[in-house]
Amino acid sequence: QKEVEQNSGPLSVPEGAIASLNCTYSDRVSQSFFWYRQYSGKSPELIMSIYSNGDKEDGRFTAQLNKASQYVSLLIRDSQPSDSATYLCAVNIPTDKLIFGTGTRLQVFP
Amino acid sequence: EAGVTQFPSHSVIEKGQTVTLRCDPISGHDNLYWYRRVMGKEIKFLLHFVKESKQDESGMPNNRFLAERTGGTYSTLKVQPAELEDSGVYFCASGGVRYNEQFFGPGTRLTVL
Repeated sequence: QKEVEQNSGPLSVPEGAIASLNCTYSDRVSQSFFWYRQYSGKSPELIMSIYSNGDKEDGRFTAQLNKASQYVSLLIRDSQPSDSATYLCAVNIPTDKLIFGTGTRLQVFP
Repeated sequence: EAGVTQFPSHSVIEKGQTVTLRCDPISGHDNLYWYRRVMGKEIKFLLHFVKESKQDESGMPNNRFLAERTGGTYSTLKVQPAELEDSGVYFCASGGVRYNEQFFGPGTRLTVL
């Protein structure tokens, strides 16, 4: 079992819809959780971080964390074609390194 | 504020040669990380500096990889001698103190022929 698992996609949603991206992790001592957006050929860009159970909203993005279920998700409201990218889930364990999933490719079509 | 910068952006070398990658972190960030992504795989941790000290080098593949961060500013990652399996994109990230948020540089794409 991989430490951080994501569906590779592609996840295709129409413009204006809600995109829901999911991630599960195996290490119960994980403390911090991050979503990165990566456009093709570019570096990962930090878009959301979440540290406690519940929801955290930032503009069109909402991160949700459920530590009991070892589950973290990212919702993108009013999806735009410019949101088309690979979304990487990353989990921080106490030694400070990030453990990444393989990423979910999101396609938003007009 | 300038972001993390890396040099070179691309490097093509032959097996057995030496390559040195450089990373300049965001000014004031004590934490500097190296990661690598090989084709089709997830981004994987290599090592972590706090200032000039190696905090964790558990991800370094073998002793052909040497990382330094003299003076606690920029860092270099040297691969000597390079092997075919070293090909991939090498990312550097830096972070301050806020909940271990890490900000990535543009990466160096290394191709070993």
